[in-house]
Amino acid sequence: GQQLNQSPQSMFIQEGEDVSMNCTSSSIFNTWLWYKQEPGEGPVLLIALYKAGELTSNGRLTAQFGITRKDSFLNISASIPSDVGIYFCAGQLTGTASKLTFGTGTRLQVTL
Amino acid sequence: EPEVTQTPSHQVTQMGQEVILRCVPISNHLYFYWYRQILGQKVEFLVSFYNNEISEKSEIFDDQFSVERPDGSNFTLKIRSTKLEDSAMYFCASKSFLIDTGELFFGEGSRLTVL
Repeated sequence: GQQLNQSPQSMFIQEGEDVSMNCTSSSIFNTWLWYKQEPGEGPVLLIALYKAGELTSNGRLTAQFGITRKDSFLNISASIPSDVGIYFCAGQLTGTASKLTFGTGTRLQVTL
Repeated sequence: EPEVTQTPSHQVTQMGQEVILRCVPISNHLYFYWYRQILGQKVEFLVSFYNNEISEKSEIFDDQFSVERPDGSNFTLKIRSTKLEDSAMYFCASKSFLIDTGELFFGEGSRLTVL
């Protein structure tokens, strides 16, 4: 099946630093999404990307849909303590009912 | 803000027992999903449901699993005879048919512990 690998697996950064994480796939996706999961909660959508090459921002978050459709990155600028959580990329193939395939996750810890 | 709600938040059961996890999707959504997340691992797709039938299911979703939308608001996941390896967080999600954005709204999850 499709595999989405994220790197790094975990990051420990200081408040105010910028963060970059990426996601690579063994196959093509039509839509890429980035979710954040906090302890005891379900994933929450951060950014959705629909076109190869697309660069989208949401506040301090910026994500890009790779030209090959097999990768994506997420950047967080000027990190704050509430950025702590696990960040998952997810790919979707086609159609409104199509399942999401989630990546392996990047755990982010922010220290003061 | 509309949200997906799940009950129970945590269920402990003995191996071999039947479990039903309940979800109330967002009211105008038409596509429903169950995902699971084993502790410390990624979120995995189980099943999608549309128009009162299963649209797609994963290899995890074997004969022990079933889904139902019994009354037009609830969406349930039943595990007939639980195994130790069924211990996980189970997330319900829903999506609007009108907006093909790929955005799934997830509930907070039901933690299942099988002893």
